[in-house]
Amino acid sequence: AQSVTQLDSHVSVSEGTPVLLRCNYSSSYSPSLFWYVQHPNKGLQLLLKYTSAATLVKGINGFEAEFKKSETSFHLTKPSAHMSDAAVYFCVVSGDMRFGAGTRLTVKP
Amino acid sequence: DTGVSQDPRHKITKRGQNVTFRCDPISEHNRLYWYRQTLGQGPEFLTYFQNEAQLEKSRLLSDRFSAERPKGSFSTLEIQRTEQGDSAMYLCASSFAGGRGSSGNTIYFGEGSWLTVV
Repeated sequence: AQSVTQLDSHVSVSEGTPVLLRCNYSSSYSPSLFWYVQHPNKGLQLLLKYTSAATLVKGINGFEAEFKKSETSFHLTKPSAHMSDAAVYFCVVSGDMRFGAGTRLTVKP
Repeated sequence: DTGVSQDPRHKITKRGQNVTFRCDPISEHNRLYWYRQTLGQGPEFLTYFQNEAQLEKSRLLSDRFSAERPKGSFSTLEIQRTEQGDSAMYLCASSFAGGRGSSGNTIYFGEGSWLTVV
């Protein structure tokens, strides 16, 4: 069985400060992992994916994530938040593409 | 670039009526997925097809829900005898799966069909 847990339902940062959105996974085999973003009234957009190549994955809009097998984690980071980053972020594990509950990112001016 | 398209984008229906949503995937994609998303929650997997075969349907919410993909291209999701609890956004997604590494193939989502049952 596979599952993901997003450890924070809401994260608030100031513009220009780093972003950390946490995701832990559970899988009986080596999974593929994804981060998607959902802006208000918009569809889901892929930010990045891990598929057993490099453990540090770079995505769009300056986001990146690091796969850590020993910690069963796939946390999403960005060095400097922008107002346009405000959205809901979902961590997803391969197989039947099970979604986490989502983390709402708020960016304060 | 024609992404995943869904129709209708919004549907208001009376309780007890049947509704059908259509999804047109990206043309070369052989997998098609349906999800449901309620406010404040992540998308909940319902079912998926590989070509015309429905490979997983045990997570459909009840026997009032059914999905088809008769020719391996577009798909429909039907909800019979709608209830107020069916009000949600229904998301369709597609991907190409084949060969090694297919579990890592990217899934592309449509913008969803909003259902309101009154």
